[in-house]
Amino acid sequence: DSGVTQTPKHLITATGQRVTLRCSPRSGDLSVYWYQQSLDQGLQFLIQYYNGEERAKGNILERFSAQQFPDLHSELNLSSLELGDSALYFCASSAANINEQFFGPGTRLTVL
Amino acid sequence: AQSVTQPDIHITVSEGASLELRCNYSYGATPYLFWYVQSPGQGLQLLLKYFSGDTLVQGIKGFEAEFKRSQSSFNLRKPSVHWSDAAEYFCAVGAVGYSTLTFGKGTMLLVSP
Repeated sequence: DSGVTQTPKHLITATGQRVTLRCSPRSGDLSVYWYQQSLDQGLQFLIQYYNGEERAKGNILERFSAQQFPDLHSELNLSSLELGDSALYFCASSAANINEQFFGPGTRLTVL
Repeated sequence: AQSVTQPDIHITVSEGASLELRCNYSYGATPYLFWYVQSPGQGLQLLLKYFSGDTLVQGIKGFEAEFKRSQSSFNLRKPSVHWSDAAEYFCAVGAVGYSTLTFGKGTMLLVSP
């Protein structure tokens, strides 16, 4: 158990809908990262937050957004969902600005 | 920008045999290097990491990796593979001063009896 929790574990929704994925980092970790894992694209970094502020952006679509709250949990919002958004979404956390990241169990999103 | 190449998509090893998974990185300075393992339906678990110092690093579950600057490689090894090692293995590179990681495409390890 990495100490990073993600909810929900599974999510099934329809095209055009909006969903919110939630992540709680390890106790004391200030950085939260979001990744998308799909068969064709592999593990893609989406976005990083550090202590409530956006720190780095990767291959995140404009339909996707994230935020980190004062209690350090983070949410990833996915809107206008398309079939191609079906994937595993992972959250990871790390202490301060250190590279070592601890991953949550992921949320499997299925868009029908 | 950093990049990571894991040239083997799949590898099959007999149980009890030795294992080496290849990882090559591209980065202009000294990188931070990681190996993660992902079992089916699970998140990624950190096996080992290299930040500096001794180029041979020991990790969990009997794995080790060697950093070779001249070859830009960070290959993962295990002397005797167990059936429970069947999983997907990811190499990742990070940069000094930046907390994001770049991951390779992964190598799926299959263990035959």
